[in-house]
Amino acid sequence: KAGVTQTPRYLIKTRGQQVTLSCSPISGHRSVSWYQQTPGQGLQFLFEYFSETQRNKGNFPGRFSGRQFSNSRSEMNVSTLELGDSALYLCASSTLGPNNEQFFGPGTRLTVL
Amino acid sequence: SQQGEEDPQALSIQEGENATMNCSYKTSINNLQWYRQNSGRGLVHLILIRSNEREKHSGRLRVTLDTSKKSSSLLITASRAADTASYFCATAVGYSSASKIIFGSGTRLSIRP
Repeated sequence: KAGVTQTPRYLIKTRGQQVTLSCSPISGHRSVSWYQQTPGQGLQFLFEYFSETQRNKGNFPGRFSGRQFSNSRSEMNVSTLELGDSALYLCASSTLGPNNEQFFGPGTRLTVL
Repeated sequence: SQQGEEDPQALSIQEGENATMNCSYKTSINNLQWYRQNSGRGLVHLILIRSNEREKHSGRLRVTLDTSKKSSSLLITASRAADTASYFCATAVGYSSASKIIFGSGTRLSIRP
């Protein structure tokens, strides 16, 4: 079984731009969660989607949004980028949800200049 | 503040020694998970222990859970160079599969040859 894939792996943007990150979960997994990892704040939960519905959301501003498609692939979008959005963005998939074993992708390293 | 706080923040031991990491959390949980992250990469699920379990083993890993103290420990026996990584505990806020997952601050483990 192929693992969780994330594209792109690296991204450089400037302040004010927007960015879209993509995540393809393991085949058969309907839950996709997104996390932001920074040295200062650690690993923080962004949101979780299951069967195209957002079931839970972390404490992030509305500039962070996501969606899930019928094939369970998910995208997250960050609008009006700020320097503090520089981070490693991780996506994880699971069969039932984040309260069970999750399989993580390699992450997308976003740098905002 | 983080649901899970881990200590120590960093640990350096000789290859072959045992490594113990601790995690404390604040709210009642359904289960607690441990993950490993190699430098700047995605997380790998190590073990999940349910709230009605006190101890669980997986290979060289031993996890304990004390719900009365709201704490868990991860023991890695006979450490190897490949165990060098950061280790995170993760707890779910809520009891459904859609629960938010909160990660601890992590322990950076270094194994000296």
